[in-house]
Amino acid sequence: SYVLTQPPSVSVAPGKTAKITCGGNNIGVKSVHWYQQKPGQAPVLVICYDSDRPPGIPERFSGSNSGNTATLTISRVEAGDEADYYCQVWDSSSDHGEVFGGGTKLTVL
Amino acid sequence: EVQLVESGGGLVKPGGSLRLSCAASGFTFSKAWMSWVRQTPGKGLEWVGRIKSKTDGGTTDYAAPVKGRFTISRDDSKNTLYLEMNSLKIEDTAVYYCTTDQAVAGTILFDFWGQGTLVTVSS
Repeated sequence: SYVLTQPPSVSVAPGKTAKITCGGNNIGVKSVHWYQQKPGQAPVLVICYDSDRPPGIPERFSGSNSGNTATLTISRVEAGDEADYYCQVWDSSSDHGEVFGGGTKLTVL
Repeated sequence: EVQLVESGGGLVKPGGSLRLSCAASGFTFSKAWMSWVRQTPGKGLEWVGRIKSKTDGGTTDYAAPVKGRFTISRDDSKNTLYLEMNSLKIEDTAVYYCTTDQAVAGTILFDFWGQGTLVTVSS
């Protein structure tokens, strides 16, 4: 089955740029979606189709996808961005298509 | 505004059963594909299963760990999604979220999530 690999944690100072990666075999040909989950809350879709922002998501959130790595970029990081971030793809070759990465804890220093 | 409100979670013994509900509002429920996604304590997200809209056949699909034990259904007259869980195992302990699904261009994503309901399987 298809595997998505994320770093367990990323740390960044306020005002700086955070990059969270999601690795997968030839992930560049798939559509990647990103979810933000703050403590005690449900996940929220922040990036869809590699780089689209749903309504209400700040422009500071952006995404890219190429080769074997997709990347969620958060510019001008704020304390409120501290959360777990999960990538997700749909893979037709898997037992079922829905695949999540293991999640990355973003810590704002 | 899309709202999804889960209920029905609780403590159940191994081998027991539980039914979760998800009350939906703010969108045309009958046209929506809906999923259940679970999250084990301190762990990541795992898709549980899906039900398509009746116009798309109303069919269901399940992840391997729950196939044959869990059943998803919907009542479009009540805008409610259900998850019937039987033969529960300790490893089914998780927060269960209902989601709306967006299936477009060869991919599926989960665009709205409920607040979740906790299911604890323990003796």
